[in-house]
Amino acid sequence: EVQLVESGGGLVQPGGSLRLSCATSGFTFSDYSMNWVRQAPGKGLEWISFISASGGSIFYADSVEGRFTISRDDAKNSLYLQMNSLSAGDTAVYYCAREVTFGGIVAPYFDYWGQGSLVTVSS
Amino acid sequence: SSELTQDPAVSVALGQTVRITCQGDSLRSYYASWYQQKPGQAPVVVIYGRDNRPSGIPDRFSGSSSGNTASLTITGAQAEDEADYYCNSRDRSAKRVFGGGTKLTVL
Repeated sequence: EVQLVESGGGLVQPGGSLRLSCATSGFTFSDYSMNWVRQAPGKGLEWISFISASGGSIFYADSVEGRFTISRDDAKNSLYLQMNSLSAGDTAVYYCAREVTFGGIVAPYFDYWGQGSLVTVSS
Repeated sequence: SSELTQDPAVSVALGQTVRITCQGDSLRSYYASWYQQKPGQAPVVVIYGRDNRPSGIPDRFSGSSSGNTASLTITGAQAEDEADYYCNSRDRSAKRVFGGGTKLTVL
């Protein structure tokens, strides 16, 4: 059974840092690209970062570029998100999501999601 | 970055058909996927690659695409289909993007 479990969320002060982890099981982690998606309270889904299976391709949403860093450790079957210079606008539930493609690069989609980790940025 | 536009809210009578649309320039080149999210739960993919359903998704869910518009159709909507629906695709720079979401109410 495929499982993704986020951890590391919590309360952090503005300007602070936090590192999220996503522990995976039930599949060969090194074969898959992964993403982080967040959802502010009462708001919609926002894609924030992608890392390819090899780790050689990394992308960020403009809203987090330069502040967040995605990484992966295939030996530990884990995905990470280092978040720096946090502000109230980063308050959200953060999901990790496995990505697969259908028909090549024209149809990527997220087939498995974790349950999310809440990050609250407040003084 | 590219954007995907969805109607904020749509309603449908129980048992009737509803179409939820998603517009964006990237959809001329890349297929949309669709996600259902119920309160307090993680999203679940219901359609990918224009009109493919993962196992376990009822066949009343279908997808289509034309030009810059992708559509999710629910034929014979059920009470349990009441949820938020999001489209997602990639843009030319390979970044992924979500639509703003559509809240579906089943009357």
